Amino acid sequence: EAGVVQSPRYKIIEKKQPVAFWCNPISGHNTLYWYLQNLGQGPELLIRYENEEAVDDSQLPKDRFSAERLKGVDSTLKIQPAELGDSAVYLCASSFGGSLEEQYFGPGTRLTVT
Amino acid sequence: AQTVTQSQPEMSVQEAETVTLSCTYDTSENNYYLFWYKQPPSRQMILVIRQEAYKQQNATENRFSVNFQKAAKSFSLKISDSQLGDTAMYFCAFMNPPNFGNEKLTFGTGTRLTIIP
Repeated sequence: EAGVVQSPRYKIIEKKQPVAFWCNPISGHNTLYWYLQNLGQGPELLIRYENEEAVDDSQLPKDRFSAERLKGVDSTLKIQPAELGDSAVYLCASSFGGSLEEQYFGPGTRLTVT
Repeated sequence: AQTVTQSQPEMSVQEAETVTLSCTYDTSENNYYLFWYKQPPSRQMILVIRQEAYKQQNATENRFSVNFQKAAKSFSLKISDSQLGDTAMYFCAFMNPPNFGNEKLTFGTGTRLTIIP
C-alpha cells in the first residue's frame, strides 16, 4: 500500500512569490491534515479536512494561506505571497475515519524563502 | 490551552541499553489521549504508541512502553534494547477526545535520540 505522497520534497523561492504544495493521501482515507513544522519544533495543525469539508482551519493564516480538497482526495496548500518566516517543513497526514484514528504522515515539503 | 513539555532536547545511549524520554503536559480535562511519535531523518512521522487517559494500564508495543502518571501529568517513553534504527526525533503529543471541539494533536518540542553503536 502506497503511503502519503507529497510533492515537491524541497522548494526554494524568493519572498513575495507564490508557492503550492500537493498531497495525495492513502487510498480510502477520508481525513486529511496539513501541518507546519518549524525548525526545532513539533508540528502544528494548519487545517483538517473530513472528505472535502474543512472542519478545522482555525490555525490557518487566511490572509496568505489557502487550501483545497476539491474531490475529497488529494489536496493543495498554497501560500501567496510567501514571507521569510514561512520557511519550514509542511507535512501532510491522512487517516481513515475521525481524529482518533492513526494519522499516517507524508515526508513533507521543506520550504526555504530567501 | 493544552501544553506539552519535553525537557530533554537531546539524549544518547549505547546500543542495547534502555532509555527513557520524559514528557509532561497540562490539561484540566479528565479524559484525553497521549501519543509518542518518531520522526527519523526522512521526516516521516511514525506513531510509536498511544495511551487513553481513562485506562490505568500502561500501553506497551514490543520494545516500547510508557509510564503514564495521570495525577502528575507525566507520560514518559521507555525504549528497551535500543537499536540503531531508533535514532530519531521523538515527539510527545496530546489530544482531547472527539466532539470536544479541539480534537487536534498538540506536540511537544521533541527529544533528539541518538543510539551509539
